[in-house]
Amino acid sequence: EVQLLESGGGLVQPGGSLRLSCAASGFTFSTHALNWVRQAPGKGLEWVSGISNFGETIFYADSVKGRFSISRDNSKNTVFLQLTSLRAEDTAMYFCAREGDGHVGTDSFEIWGQGTPVTVSS
Amino acid sequence: SSVLTQPPSVSVAPGETATITCGGDIIGIKTVHWYQQKPGQAPLLVIYYDSDRPSGIPERFSGSNSGDTATLTISGVEGGDEADYYCQVWDTSGDHSYVFGTGTKVTVL
Repeated sequence: EVQLLESGGGLVQPGGSLRLSCAASGFTFSTHALNWVRQAPGKGLEWVSGISNFGETIFYADSVKGRFSISRDNSKNTVFLQLTSLRAEDTAMYFCAREGDGHVGTDSFEIWGQGTPVTVSS
Repeated sequence: SSVLTQPPSVSVAPGETATITCGGDIIGIKTVHWYQQKPGQAPLLVIYYDSDRPSGIPERFSGSNSGDTATLTISGVEGGDEADYYCQVWDTSGDHSYVFGTGTKVTVL
C-alpha cells in the first residue's frame, strides 16, 4: 500500500525549533518529488516547500523562506522539514504530499499523509 | 503573492449540479488540479491537469479551464460530496511556488 506517515509535530515555544519527518512506503521513493503543505486551524491549504526526487531542486513559500529547510534521505525513504524561528502563525497541521513525478511543479499531489500537528505557543 | 479566488460556499440539493470556480491572473495557460477535503481528513486529489480524473474518482466529477477561470463540476451531487474543495496551480511568475485557491465549502441540502 502506498503510504506517507508524518511525525515530529508537537508544542513548541515561539522562537523554537522542530523537525518533521515523513516516512514513505509502498513505492519507489527516489522517483518522486515531495512537498509539505500546512493548514492552520479552520483555514485553507498553504503550500510550504517542495523538493525534487534527488534533492537537487528546492522551493519554499515566501512565508517560511530562511526559517524552514526541506531535505530528504532516499536511503531511508524519508523527507524532512526543519522548522526554526517558529512563530504563532506557524501553528498548523503539516501534511506531506507526493507528486506524480520527480520534479517539483510538474504534477499533482496524488498521495497525502494524514498530517502532524504543530502548535507554537508560550 | 498570487491569489486564486474561489466562492466561499456553494449549496446544492442532492442530484443537482455543483459548480465551483477558481479565478486568478495566474490561471491562464497553467494546468489546474482540484482537491476534496472532508473534516479531519487529508486532501484527496479529484481532478488533475484541468480535467483528468484519478482512478476511483466518480465520473460525476469533471473539470475545465478556459481563459482566467478554471471550473470543477460535480454532477448528480450526493451527500458524500459535502466537503471543502481547493484548486491548485504552479506559479512561475516570480519565485516558483504552488498556490492553492481560497477554498469552497460545498453543502448538500
